[in-house]
Amino acid sequence: DAKTTQPPSMDCAEGRAANLPCNHSTISGNEYVYWYRQIHSQGPQYIIHGLKNNETNEMASLIITEDRKSSTLILPHATLRDTAVYYCIVRLMNYGGSQGNLIFGKGTKLSVKP
Amino acid sequence: DTGVSQDPRHKITKRGQNVTFRCDPISEHNRLYWYRQTLGQGPEFLTYFQNEAQLEKSRLLSDRFSAERPKGSFSTLEIQRTEQGDSAMYLCASSLGSLREFFGPGTRLTVL
Repeated sequence: DAKTTQPPSMDCAEGRAANLPCNHSTISGNEYVYWYRQIHSQGPQYIIHGLKNNETNEMASLIITEDRKSSTLILPHATLRDTAVYYCIVRLMNYGGSQGNLIFGKGTKLSVKP
Repeated sequence: DTGVSQDPRHKITKRGQNVTFRCDPISEHNRLYWYRQTLGQGPEFLTYFQNEAQLEKSRLLSDRFSAERPKGSFSTLEIQRTEQGDSAMYLCASSLGSLREFFGPGTRLTVL
């Protein structure tokens, strides 16, 4: 079973920031937080991942709470093309660099509206 | 386009028939994954390869399912004696031992 909890759906106005929450209260010290999204009829697309520090890339920012029990994905200026299902995943990372498989939940369906 | 291709994109078959799907990963990627996704659900892990070795299989992968990656490049997923419950999107992904997977567009299977 997925180890994360996400709201089933959210709306966001075009041009505004979209803030997608995720709870992962049972996360362990060697598990990373990953975000993927899936636009209708396409395969999932990697967005960002982090361990405990906040991360930012060209797509989004990831804010992880100090206790690591929750995180927020931020799309700073949402566009209509950001309408998708967003999946928050916790993933084991071993010291040898191998990673656990992705365990997807049902995600959050984000609808960006004009 | 992520660089991972899957063929065919759509397959309709009758119950009891065998089907085979192909995945071509990004050329230098050593890991290849198969996932299955049914309507309204997130993708579910089926199996993965590191080079040509199949290292893990999910309990979802029944005896009717078999996957191969003979030369550590492309992979095939075969389903024998298809059932209506096999109707789903079959997704392939690849990675280079890094922290992110690149997914293909998927093969949508419909079993009548």
